[in-house]
Amino acid sequence: NAGVTQTPKFQVLKTGQSMTLQCAQDMNHEYMSWYRQDPGMGLRLIHYSVGAGITDQGEVPNGYNVSRSTTEDFPLRLLSAAPSQTSVYFCASSSAYSGRSLNSPLHFGNGTRLTVT
Amino acid sequence: SQQGEEDPQALSIQEGENATMNCSYKTSINNLQWYRQNSGRGLVHLILIRSNEREKHSGRLRVTLDTSKKSSSLLITASRAADTASYFCATVPYGNNRLAFGKGNQVVVIP
Repeated sequence: NAGVTQTPKFQVLKTGQSMTLQCAQDMNHEYMSWYRQDPGMGLRLIHYSVGAGITDQGEVPNGYNVSRSTTEDFPLRLLSAAPSQTSVYFCASSSAYSGRSLNSPLHFGNGTRLTVT
Repeated sequence: SQQGEEDPQALSIQEGENATMNCSYKTSINNLQWYRQNSGRGLVHLILIRSNEREKHSGRLRVTLDTSKKSSSLLITASRAADTASYFCATVPYGNNRLAFGKGNQVVVIP
């Protein structure tokens, strides 16, 4: 199994450009999420999804869009890149989401390192 | 806001010694999870402990949870150079489906 696959691994954007970070998982997980990791800040949740067609905002959603048209894919779109979005982005998925609680660990991809100049 | 806060932030130990990290949180939780991150890689899950559990073991790892103090600890016994990594605690608040991470704890094991 490939697990959680993120592409690209590295990306450089100019301010104002848009792009999509891809995330795919082959574990049939219902739950998927996007985090950003900045030095000294830990990981902060951007958006998450509890199933196809359902998305919700996390802690830092501004400037990002997501959609979940299939169980496997959860792309993250930057609408107009800003230097403040320079970060490492992680996609993660989980198998067990019951009721209103996340009950199982997250499986992480290896990240996308994004630089906005 | 950061739900989990690890203490200490950085730890340097000799190979073979034990390493202990603590994590505090603010709200009632459904479960608490510990992750490891090697440099330049994604996070890897270590242990999940539910709010009705007090202790869990996995190999050389031992996690305790004290819900009355809203704190958890991760103990790595007989550390190895390969344990050098950042360690994060993360919590799922009660009735919530978001996993909130602390800022992480950098551990260096000196051979």
